[in-house]
Amino acid sequence: DVKVTQSSRYLVKRTGEKVFLECVQDMDHENMFWYRQDPGLGLRLIYFSYDVKMKEKGDIPEGYSVSREKKERFSLILESASTNQTSMYLCAIRTGDNYGYTFGSGTRLTVV
Amino acid sequence: GENVEQHPSTLSVQEGDSAVIKCTYSDSASNYFPWYKQELGKRPQLIIDIRSNVGEKKDQRIAVTLNKTAKHFSLHITETQPEDSAVYFCAARSDDYKLSFGAGTTVTVRA
Repeated sequence: DVKVTQSSRYLVKRTGEKVFLECVQDMDHENMFWYRQDPGLGLRLIYFSYDVKMKEKGDIPEGYSVSREKKERFSLILESASTNQTSMYLCAIRTGDNYGYTFGSGTRLTVV
Repeated sequence: GENVEQHPSTLSVQEGDSAVIKCTYSDSASNYFPWYKQELGKRPQLIIDIRSNVGEKKDQRIAVTLNKTAKHFSLHITETQPEDSAVYFCAARSDDYKLSFGAGTTVTVRA
């Protein structure tokens, strides 16, 4: 089974800091996604990538950017963290022809 | 883009009873509908999915039904057990890569 690793389970950052969230897969899947999860709002797509150096905006890209320099790694960047970016961030990869996702364990980010 | 609505937001059932969660979607071109279960503190995990060329799919105590005409699909859990307590998310495939998720249903199974 594919393994999706998010580097941090918990992060606390200060307002205005630049924040990097990392996601690494151990296989060769092309499609990777960043979602944020908030109570009552479900999972909302921030950005996704369908190959190296390829990226597309999701539904809520404002305040975020991404980087995919290598196929196995997809990074989410908060250029200047704000308190409204306090959330659970989930990385996912598309596995197989059924379009199912495998999720990482999530990073709970608190911006103070 | 695709818009997925999910109801109810919370559901409390007696152990042994059935639970039903309903979702509607907006894009008639959507053709793949997975359901994810997220236990407390854990990542969402795929529990069952259905494609648009199938009306119903069952896997032990869980089943999913799809009504393409009405653009809605439902998750059915029978003989609920305490380990079924979790947040459940429905989703619909809106294009080749993206899944759009519902807001989630918190299911609590009372012993």
